[in-house]
Amino acid sequence: DGGITQSPKYLFRKEGQNVTLSCEQNLNHDAMYWYRQDPGQGLRLIYYSQIVNDFQKGDIAEGYSVSREKKESFPLTVTSAQKNPTAFYLCASSIRGKRGDEQFFGPGTRLTVL
Amino acid sequence: RKEVEQDPGPFNVPEGATVAFNCTYSNSASQSFFWYRQDCRKEPKLLMSVYSSGNEDGRFTAQLNRASQYISLLIRDSKLSDSATYLCVVKDSGYSTLTFGKGTMLLVSP
Repeated sequence: DGGITQSPKYLFRKEGQNVTLSCEQNLNHDAMYWYRQDPGQGLRLIYYSQIVNDFQKGDIAEGYSVSREKKESFPLTVTSAQKNPTAFYLCASSIRGKRGDEQFFGPGTRLTVL
Repeated sequence: RKEVEQDPGPFNVPEGATVAFNCTYSNSASQSFFWYRQDCRKEPKLLMSVYSSGNEDGRFTAQLNRASQYISLLIRDSKLSDSATYLCVVKDSGYSTLTFGKGTMLLVSP
């Protein structure tokens, strides 16, 4: 089955530690995205990548980093510089160039920083 | 700043009712429009794209009004399983990213 996987589902970390969230897709999609969702809030874009070895900052990139070494993978690192890292993190992918550009989401990772 | 505004609700309706949500967007150059559904503590899932001529998928009908810059979603014969948060999503032209509304919560009761 094609889809997007994120791991782990739940993640607990101590304040000051960096943590990396995994996102993998086998949909052969060119574009991948990372969002953050806080309670009662809409999705906010952290980073996105339209093609391998290239990525752009979204609206709230500070305190985060990404890499796109493979088409299938787009890991997100939450660094200690992120002031409020506790949130629900969602990864998505889409076919680049398609006019509609619907995005399909992974199941998400809930990060709690203690 | 691009904005997508939705009434957060909740909309409480009985089973079988018809319910409608509206969403307004600020960028008149927006090109593509979508409704996503998000269940509690789950990821958003694409419900339907919204086309200029309007479109229907079973009990769900989406409409686009470019002049007034709003999108609507109509759900007929509501089911308990329709209870969720409905996200209005807008994309500008080209390869730009999506802008998500905060969502409208629907609660369907027996």
